[in-house]
Amino acid sequence: ETGVTQTPRHLVMGMTNKKSLKCEQHLGHNAMYWYKQSAKKPLELMFVYSLEERVENNSVPSRFSPECPNSSHLFLHLHTLQPEDSALYLCASSQEDTSEAFFGQGTRLTVV
Amino acid sequence: AQSVTQLDSQVPVFEEAPVELRCNYSSSVSVYLFWYVQYPNQGLQLLLKYLSGSTLVESINGFEAEFNKSQTSFHLRKPSVHISDTAEYFCAVRPRRFNAGKSTFGDGTTLTVKP
Repeated sequence: ETGVTQTPRHLVMGMTNKKSLKCEQHLGHNAMYWYKQSAKKPLELMFVYSLEERVENNSVPSRFSPECPNSSHLFLHLHTLQPEDSALYLCASSQEDTSEAFFGQGTRLTVV
Repeated sequence: AQSVTQLDSQVPVFEEAPVELRCNYSSSVSVYLFWYVQYPNQGLQLLLKYLSGSTLVESINGFEAEFNKSQTSFHLRKPSVHISDTAEYFCAVRPRRFNAGKSTFGDGTTLTVKP
C-alpha cells in the first residue's frame, strides 16, 4: 500500500461510453499526475497538477479530461475512446519540494 | 531537457547470480536519480534514490546503485538475485528544482530470474 489508491482496478468500456478513473492520495502531497503505460511503449506523462492547478498537458487528446477538485483527489474522465487507448493508467503524487513520486496500482483499461 | 536510456530491454539471469541493470542519463540541469520496480499488474514502487551525498545508495532488499557523474550513469546492481526479483525496472530522473521540468523515465528493463 503506497498511500495512493486508484479505482477501479480494471475497466472495460465501449467506444461510445463515458467513464471516469479516480485517484486518491492520503500522503498530504500537493502534486498529482496521470501516466499512461502501454505495452512495449515508454511510460507517458499525460497531466500534472500542482496545488490543484494543471501545470502540464502533454498533447493529450481531448477525449481524456482531467479534474483535480482538491489536493487529495484526481479524476480522469474518458469519452469516445479508441481501442489504442487501452493501457494501464497510473496515478502518482509527490510533494513539490521533495523528490520521489508515489504511484497507485493503476487502472487496466480495455476499450472494445 | 533530459533523457534516460536503459541499455538493456531484457535481462535474463539464473537465481543467485549477480545482475546489473544499466542506466545512462543526460540533463541540462542538476537532477535527482531514481530506480523504480514494477511487479505484474501493479504500479511503480520506489526502489532507491540518489539525492546527494554518498554516491552509493542501497535498498532494503539488497539492491544498490551508484551515481557516476562523469559517466552520467546510475546502474543498478544486486550480488545475488531471487526469483521474487523478477519484475520491470525503471530508471528515472527529475530536476532538483520542481518547476524546472517533469520526471523522465527510461523505457524499462525486464529482469527475469530463472531457477
